[in-house]
Amino acid sequence: QQQVKQSPQSLIVQKGGISIINCAYENTAFDYFPWYQQFPGKGPALLIAIRPDVSEKKEGRFTISFNKSAKQFSLHIMDSQPGDSATYFCAAPGFGNEKLTFGTGTRLTIIP
Amino acid sequence: GAGVSQSPRYKVAKRGQDVALRCDPISGHVSLFWYQQALGQGPEFLTYFQNEAQLDKSGLPSDRFFAERPEGSVSTLKIQRTQQEDSAVYLCASSLARSYEQYFGPGTRLTVT
Repeated sequence: QQQVKQSPQSLIVQKGGISIINCAYENTAFDYFPWYQQFPGKGPALLIAIRPDVSEKKEGRFTISFNKSAKQFSLHIMDSQPGDSATYFCAAPGFGNEKLTFGTGTRLTIIP
Repeated sequence: GAGVSQSPRYKVAKRGQDVALRCDPISGHVSLFWYQQALGQGPEFLTYFQNEAQLDKSGLPSDRFFAERPEGSVSTLKIQRTQQEDSAVYLCASSLARSYEQYFGPGTRLTVT
């Protein structure tokens, strides 16, 4: 069973600052690592994802950094805004199919 | 286009009642997933369909949980004889064939009293 460990559990960042959330996985066979964003009362929404053949992927203010040797990947949110306040989940696919194992989530709060 | 829809959005059931939760996936999405999300936790996998075939039901917590997708589109998750520990948000997601990109619905919040 894939295990995905996420940290920190909660994070408070000042507006304009950089938010960093980390994720560690166990199995090296996986080839897809997504981050999901969830607002209260809504389902998770795919934010950004990376394949392990690259070490970094950037989409707007969001960047995934991938460290294959350490089995870790992280989400960086640049110029964090109050609208980024949400819960963020990392995930990894299962064995032989596309089901996802999610981390426990990081509640991000951006303060003015 | 329309996203994944789920109904009802909220369901209150008395302990011992049966409930049925519906998921309408994105049109053309072959794969459909059900997840359970407890308060303050990440979604946990329940079951997975490819078209009408249920390929993985390893996450269903007990034989009281049953899912079907008879025509390969709409899916129903049924919980029989509900218990208080079944209280959670039930999320449905769909994706194209052989794609990891899953699109989630808003969920159904089930409260068992």
